Amino acid sequence: KQEVTQIPAALSVPEGENLVLNCSFTDSAIYNLQWFRQDPGKGLTSLLLIQSSQREQTSGRLNASLDKSSGRSTLYIAASQPGDSATYLCAVRPVWGSARQLTFGSGTQLTVLP
Amino acid sequence: GAVVSQHPSWVICKSGTSVKIECRSLDFQATTMFWYRQFPKQSLMLMATSNEGSKATYEQGVEKDKFLINHASLTLSTLTVTSAHPEDSSFYICSARDSGRDIQYFGAGTRLSVL
Repeated sequence: KQEVTQIPAALSVPEGENLVLNCSFTDSAIYNLQWFRQDPGKGLTSLLLIQSSQREQTSGRLNASLDKSSGRSTLYIAASQPGDSATYLCAVRPVWGSARQLTFGSGTQLTVLP
Repeated sequence: GAVVSQHPSWVICKSGTSVKIECRSLDFQATTMFWYRQFPKQSLMLMATSNEGSKATYEQGVEKDKFLINHASLTLSTLTVTSAHPEDSSFYICSARDSGRDIQYFGAGTRLSVL
């Protein structure tokens, strides 16, 4: 059974700092990996989706990398801002299975201090 | 971009009553929809997968008679929490997979508070 782990569980940084969030998964047979943002009491906002054949994806100040063989992904946030404060979730979608539903990590709660 | 509408966003009900939550895909067809539950400061836990026109598949430990799922059309799935109790209070999130683009989109969630 796929297990997704995110480290650290919480992170607090001063504004302007670059930071890295980590995600690891146990089964490398993934179809894709997705990073989401969740604000308190809200739903999920998709940030980046990396297909299994890709190594990285970029969107603005965000860069996500994928190393499928080692079961790892990182989300890099450049020049962090207070508005980046949220919980960041990674999720993997398997290659196999009838519904191929996403398996989520437990999230990293990010606080960017002004 | 594709939108998934979830309604209501917040509901308060008395213990013993039933609550229905709707999940609609607004501009795409969703053969498959998913229902998740999220407790405070925890991640999303899949409750069930619903396929249009067939019975939902429930995850282990989820009572299918308590959490009734109906996926009667390609754009609508409903979750009914029957005889709700305080322990059912949680944040429920639906998701719909765009069959054509093979991408999963999420609703904004429903906060259920059972008194």
